[in-house]
Amino acid sequence: ETGVTQTPRHLVMGMTNKKSLKCEQHLGHNAMYWYKQSAKKPLELMFVYSLEERVENNSVPSRFSPECPNSSHLFLHLHTLQPEDSALYLCASSQARQGTEAFFGQGTRLTVV
Amino acid sequence: SQELEQSPQSLIVQEGKNLTINCTSSKTLYGLYWYKQKYGEGLIFLMMLQKGGEEKSHEKITAKLDEKKQQSSLHITASQPSHAGIYLCGALHGSSNTGKLIFGQGTTLQVKP
Repeated sequence: ETGVTQTPRHLVMGMTNKKSLKCEQHLGHNAMYWYKQSAKKPLELMFVYSLEERVENNSVPSRFSPECPNSSHLFLHLHTLQPEDSALYLCASSQARQGTEAFFGQGTRLTVV
Repeated sequence: SQELEQSPQSLIVQEGKNLTINCTSSKTLYGLYWYKQKYGEGLIFLMMLQKGGEEKSHEKITAKLDEKKQQSSLHITASQPSHAGIYLCGALHGSSNTGKLIFGQGTTLQVKP
């Protein structure tokens, strides 16, 4: 248990569906991250929120829409996804300063059919 | 090209043997992190190195940082089946308080009983 909780753990959705991934931390951290992990590829940083402001957006397609309503919660809204978006989506949190490790959730295994 | 290169990509060792995993950065390192991941799950933090020449150990795992060479190594002594998994090095690339944490492609370790 790392203190970062992701729901759901598994999600199967059609290409026309709209769904949301949720991440929650109560570690007192003020930075939160979304990563994508596909088979045989490195972890890809998607979004970074620091003090509830988006500070990083790594050219992620607009069908992925993040939301950070407060420092404890992070969402990833999904719509009109493609099969190649199937992957493990990991959330992490840390203190927004250098030299502090990030804590990861267990991930959401997403399958787009 | 990858900002963080890990080698080897995969490793199979006999229980009891020692092994080393390397991580090389193409950019200045502001912090180097080692994580372990079981397939399909979140990342578990192992160690963080910040200063050149720094060495840390946890149980039978030792990590070193060569800041000048922008490299780190992870050494496991007398490997056990419980050491099996994916080892990832991560680095903070950026000098701002929102420096992004990026990862290498991972090294998959199998330990044969």
